[in-house]
Amino acid sequence: EDQVTQSPEALRLQEGESSSLNCSYTVSGLRGLFWYRQDPGKGPEFLFTLYSAGEEKEKERLKATLTKKESFLHITAPKPEDSATYLCAVQAGSSASKIIFGSGTRLSIRP
Amino acid sequence: SAVISQKPSRDICQRGTSLTIQCQVDSQVTMMFWYRQQPGQSLTLIATANQGSEATYESGFVIDKFPISRPNLTFSTLTVSNMSPEDSSIYLCSVDKGTGEDTQYFGPGTRLTVL
Repeated sequence: EDQVTQSPEALRLQEGESSSLNCSYTVSGLRGLFWYRQDPGKGPEFLFTLYSAGEEKEKERLKATLTKKESFLHITAPKPEDSATYLCAVQAGSSASKIIFGSGTRLSIRP
Repeated sequence: SAVISQKPSRDICQRGTSLTIQCQVDSQVTMMFWYRQQPGQSLTLIATANQGSEATYESGFVIDKFPISRPNLTFSTLTVSNMSPEDSSIYLCSVDKGTGEDTQYFGPGTRLTVL
């Protein structure tokens, strides 16, 4: 069964303290891996799509990387406005368009 | 990306009643999706709505409880029928623009509370 596991569930950092969020996945034929940011009371905001192992994408203080078993979302020198829940999701090649979401990591950045 | 709006943004409903949620997209899209996000949980796919065909429901979700309409390429509705407190959730629509990226873009969500 396709599965996505994110860790940690919650992470509190000091402003400027870099760290990484983990997304481990088990899927039959990865079609794509997605990262979203979700603020309280809002819909998920798209960040990145990764398609193959070794791929990396960056946006401001965020960098997403992908291996055959997991993805990392690295956050460099975070600011309080980076506080949000970060969701990882995968799409299997066997079920076009259905996306399976992980439970998310709640990130809190203290000033 | 895509600009997606949902109505209502939130509602409080009585047990046994029904609520229809609207999703409007700023461009024509082939595939639209409806998700549920229960308090403190991640997103669960309810159904996929393609224009011109019946919606495809995921395991655990049935058409009688969550009827969906997709009258054109920019609009869809999800009805939550005969509501109970367990239906209290955020309901989200999303779209796949069909450009080959496979990325889904989400609306702002409808926060439903059932008393």
